[in-house]
Amino acid sequence: GEDVEQSLFLSVREGDSSVINCTYTDSSSTYLYWYKQEPGAGLQLLTYIFSNMDMKQDQRLTVLLNKKDKHLSLRIADTQTGDSAIYFCAERPPGYSSASKIIFGSGTRLSIRP
Amino acid sequence: GAVVSQHPSRVICKSGTSVKIECRSLDFQATTMFWYRQFPKQSLMLMATSNEGSKATYEQGVEKDKFLINHASLTLSTLTVTSAHPEDSSFYICSARIGGSTEAFFGQGTRLTVV
Repeated sequence: GEDVEQSLFLSVREGDSSVINCTYTDSSSTYLYWYKQEPGAGLQLLTYIFSNMDMKQDQRLTVLLNKKDKHLSLRIADTQTGDSAIYFCAERPPGYSSASKIIFGSGTRLSIRP
Repeated sequence: GAVVSQHPSRVICKSGTSVKIECRSLDFQATTMFWYRQFPKQSLMLMATSNEGSKATYEQGVEKDKFLINHASLTLSTLTVTSAHPEDSSFYICSARIGGSTEAFFGQGTRLTVV
C-alpha cells in the first residue's frame, strides 16, 4: 500500500543545518514533495523532485532522493527562526494525472533553539 | 503564486448540526479540488476529489452522505459536514489544482470543533 513516514519532531540550533527525513513505500511514485505549514496557515509547497532526479537544490533547500532505499530528505542550511513550522513529505503515486492524489506523511515539527 | 482561500478558519458547532466550509481559488480556475482531514499527530488524509460540474469521488471509508461536497464552479467548492458529532472534530484542508498542473495550492485549513 501507499505510506509515507517521517519523524514527528526535530530540534535544531539556530544557524545549524536541519535535515528532515522521510521514507515512502511506493517505488513507482512520480513526484515527491516537501510542504511547509506555519501556524494558522495553509500548506505551502516548498519544493518537489521528479523521481528520475537524485538531488535538487534551491537556495537554502537541498532535496536528496534515494530511490533504492525509498528515502527522501530535506536539508535546510543556516536554519532561522522563521523556518519553525511543520514540514510534510508527500508522494504522488503513478496512475494519477490531472486529478492527482497526493499521499502525505504525518509532518515533522521543526523547532529552532537559540 | 496562486491563492486558495478557505472559510471559516475556525468553527465550533453543536452536535447534530451541519457545518459548511468553503474553498475558493482567488486568482485561477481550479478544475479539480481536494478535501483533506487531519487528526492530531496524524497525516493529512484525502477525503474526496471533486471535479467542477461532476460528483465528487470519495476515498474508501469516507461517508459521502455525511460529507457533502459541491463543486459548482471553477472557483468554489464546499464541504458540508452533516449531523456533526464530536468525532468529526478535526482540521479540514482543501487544495485546488489547475488541470494538468503538477502543483496543488492549499487553503489555510478549517479547525472544526463539535461540542
